[in-house]
Amino acid sequence: RKEVEQDPGPFNVPEGATVAFNCTYSNSASQSFFWYRQDCRKEPKLLMSVYSSGNEDGRFTAQLNRASQYISLLIRDSKLSDSATYLCVANNAGNMLTFGGGTRLMVKP
Amino acid sequence: DADVTQTPRNRITKTGKRIMLECSQTKGHDRMYWYRQDPGLGLRLIYYSFDVKDINKGEISDGYSVSRQAQAKFSLSLESAIPNQTALYFCATSDSRVANTGELFFGEGSRLTVL
Repeated sequence: RKEVEQDPGPFNVPEGATVAFNCTYSNSASQSFFWYRQDCRKEPKLLMSVYSSGNEDGRFTAQLNRASQYISLLIRDSKLSDSATYLCVANNAGNMLTFGGGTRLMVKP
Repeated sequence: DADVTQTPRNRITKTGKRIMLECSQTKGHDRMYWYRQDPGLGLRLIYYSFDVKDINKGEISDGYSVSRQAQAKFSLSLESAIPNQTALYFCATSDSRVANTGELFFGEGSRLTVL
């Protein structure tokens, strides 16, 4: 079993839709969590951190449920430019990052 | 210019050949990493280095070696390339002074094909 698991998708949504991705992690010692965004044929870039209390950054909301060991990312009012692969990341002891396989989002006109 | 530069960006080689991928950074970060990315498997850590002369194995180090010649340079070698090492390779950096931010800065990737 992979340490960080994501539905690979693709999620096909129309512009303006709200879409949510979940990610589960198996290492209960994981200390912090992040979402990265990766455009096609490009390098991953940090999108946002995930805090226990939940956090928002514009149209993006990230939440963490430690009891159930999952992380979510909600995107409201989807734009064409949101089309990308979203990588869920766990930071384990020793400050090492473990990446999920990614969830692909395609926003259509 | 990119802060994290990888060379070559694309390489096609044959089984058994020795390959070196190079990474240099201008960010002044002390930590450097090599990952490989395969479809559906995400990014997997090959080796990492927290400072010059510090080398640590990652999840999938077999068949690879690295060298941290200077703080700004971290190279990855495949001593005898095999087809299942065909992948997209990323170098990344982070700054130990900014702990737990989870932010890695990636190069643009090196696509390696082993025939």
